[in-house]
Amino acid sequence: DSGVTQTPKHLITATGQRVTLRCSPRSGDLSVYWYQQSLDQGLQFLIQYYNGEERAKGNILERFSAQQFPDLHSELNLSSLELGDSALYFCASSPTLNTGELFFGEGSRLTVL
Amino acid sequence: DQQVKQNSPSLSVQEGRISILNCDYTNSMFDYFLWYKKYPAEGPTFLISISSIKDKNEDGRFTVFLNKSAKHLSLHIVPSQPGDSAVYFCAASARSYGGSQGNLIFGKGTKLSVKP
Repeated sequence: DSGVTQTPKHLITATGQRVTLRCSPRSGDLSVYWYQQSLDQGLQFLIQYYNGEERAKGNILERFSAQQFPDLHSELNLSSLELGDSALYFCASSPTLNTGELFFGEGSRLTVL
Repeated sequence: DQQVKQNSPSLSVQEGRISILNCDYTNSMFDYFLWYKKYPAEGPTFLISISSIKDKNEDGRFTVFLNKSAKHLSLHIVPSQPGDSAVYFCAASARSYGGSQGNLIFGKGTKLSVKP
C-alpha cells in the first residue's frame, strides 16, 4: 500500500460526458502528479501540483484540467470525453518537489463507450 | 517519437539466474534515470535510480548500469526470484535543465517472468 488513494477505481461513461477523478496523496506529501497509461503505452505525464500550485505540465489535453485543494487532495477533470480517452489514470505523490521517487496510487480505469 | 525505449516487451528467466532489462533513450538532456516495478492491479513502485554523473548504482539484488555515450541503461537482478515477476518501467527526467524531477518520461515496460 503506497498510501496514495484514488477514486473511483473503475468508471464507465459515454462519449461527450465529463468525469472527475480524485486523489489523496500520502500523508505529508505536498506534490501530486497525474499520469495517463493508454493501452500498450508507457505512463505519460499530464500535470504536477505542489502545495496547491501548478508546477509542470505535460501532454495534457485542453479538455482536461486539474487542481490541488488546500487539504492537498487533487482532482483531474476530463470533459467532452472521446473513445481515445479510455485509459488508466494514475496519481502519484512525493514529499518534495525535486524527486523522481514517486508513490503511485492503484489508478482509476476509465472506459469511454 | 519515443524518447525512452524498452525494446523487449517480455523476458523470461529461470529462478536464481540473472535478469537483464534494457532501456535506450534519445534525449541528451536526460540526467536522471529510474526503474519502477508494477504488479497487476497495483500502481508502479520505485525500485532504483541513477544520476548521470554515475555509471552504476547498486541496491541489494538490483543494479542499474548507465552508459551515457550509448544512451543506454540496464537493470540487473541477481539472483532472480519468482516474486520479481512484474512489469518493469524505465523512466528518465531532465532535472538539471529546469525539468521537474517528477516529470518522468516512461518507456512502455518489459514484462519479466521468473520461472521456479
